[in-house]
Amino acid sequence: GAVVSQHPSWVICKSGTSVKIECRSLDFQATTMFWYRQFPKQSLMLMATSNEGSKATYEQGVEKDKFLINHASLTLSTLTVTSAHPEDSSFYICSAPRNYEQYFGPGTRLTVT
Amino acid sequence: DQQVKQNSPSLSVQEGRISILNCDYTNSMFDYFLWYKKYPAEGPTFLISISSIKDKNEDGRFTVFLNKSAKHLSLHIVPSQPGDSAVYFCAASENPGNQFYFGTGTSLTVIP
Repeated sequence: GAVVSQHPSWVICKSGTSVKIECRSLDFQATTMFWYRQFPKQSLMLMATSNEGSKATYEQGVEKDKFLINHASLTLSTLTVTSAHPEDSSFYICSAPRNYEQYFGPGTRLTVT
Repeated sequence: DQQVKQNSPSLSVQEGRISILNCDYTNSMFDYFLWYKKYPAEGPTFLISISSIKDKNEDGRFTVFLNKSAKHLSLHIVPSQPGDSAVYFCAASENPGNQFYFGTGTSLTVIP
């Protein structure tokens, strides 16, 4: 079946550094992918919509210069957290739609020290 | 503004009994609904979906009911098993290819 992967599954970085998270659709093409963020004991919140061949669409309150999204191909979207701060520590999840379903990646746990 | 709400943050059920998880939404344009199960530090796992043309969808022990007039859906798990213990999120979308809006989740504990 359709699978969405994320890499890395967890990452620890120092404050001020940048971290790139990859989201891949493994056996289907996705012109659109979604990036979500989950804080502890809270719901998944949509951060942005990644569009292949065009700019990402960011939700209100999400800093586009801090969370850089690049939809490099029909199977790959990347989220780069630039100049990371401890408050960026969170669980980041991507998803991709296919055939009237939404497939989620396993998530990436980011810890900024 | 939370468009999808799960008003019960937690639920405990005895093994073998029925678990009923509820979800309400405010956007009448939502046409497609999903339930996800999530373990800590993992991505959501799809459970079951329903589109607005139906009022019920069943898959094994899981049944989702949709009441469009009340903007309410529920997930029934029968019989509940200890392995069902997880956080359950409902999600809604105007179109299954678009973004989904998630509820805040209900933590289900099935007691052996």
